[in-house]
Amino acid sequence: NAGVMQNPRHLVRRRGQEARLRCSPMKGHSHVYWYRQLPEEGLKFMVYLQKENIIDESGMPKERFSAEFPKEGPSILRIQQVVRGDSAAYFCASSPPTRGSSNYGYTFGSGTRLTVV
Amino acid sequence: GDSVTQMEGPVTLSEEAFLTINCTYTATGYPSLFWYVQYPGEGLQLLLKATKADDKGSNKGFEATYRKETTSFHLEKGSVQVSDSAVYFCALKGGGADGLTFGKGTHLIIQP
Repeated sequence: NAGVMQNPRHLVRRRGQEARLRCSPMKGHSHVYWYRQLPEEGLKFMVYLQKENIIDESGMPKERFSAEFPKEGPSILRIQQVVRGDSAAYFCASSPPTRGSSNYGYTFGSGTRLTVV
Repeated sequence: GDSVTQMEGPVTLSEEAFLTINCTYTATGYPSLFWYVQYPGEGLQLLLKATKADDKGSNKGFEATYRKETTSFHLEKGSVQVSDSAVYFCALKGGGADGLTFGKGTHLIIQP
């Protein structure tokens, strides 16, 4: 677990502010996945990225949410103009290039707990 | 679409009791199935997995068998310990999907 680094661990934002969540994948992993966990819910897939490419964003809300994974640096999940309903735990996972394979090497980070006040 | 249903928690057991956490799924094709565990304040850790029908995944005394006929992947352990207290998530990955589909999680509490 320690291989995928997410920061900050806890983030408090007022309504209308922006939230930036960072994820550094495990060494050797080039694929990053973001999930959201609402209270009392399971994790919901949001987006899948490779370096400089968004591969699947089918789980991302159409507005205010964006994600990137630049050539250098961590993956960023950005939420603009946050609302109370955005309060959740956001988890990042990484894997080696195994898309389509059933032998998944997903490694999850410890998550960022976003609270919107 | 794909979905995972697992038993509601919390599940409270005494140490050394037998554990079953039910998980059923709906998916097209032949998904891979997983159990993840989340300890307080931590991320998810893969506990075990099975990639085809009748496969049995096992780890740390936990087992689950991929039952295609009943679309189930129930988690079992013969004798639980206090240290097993955590939230357990059943998940699947369909052949055409990029992400995992998770159940809502089952909070397990083991009392000494």
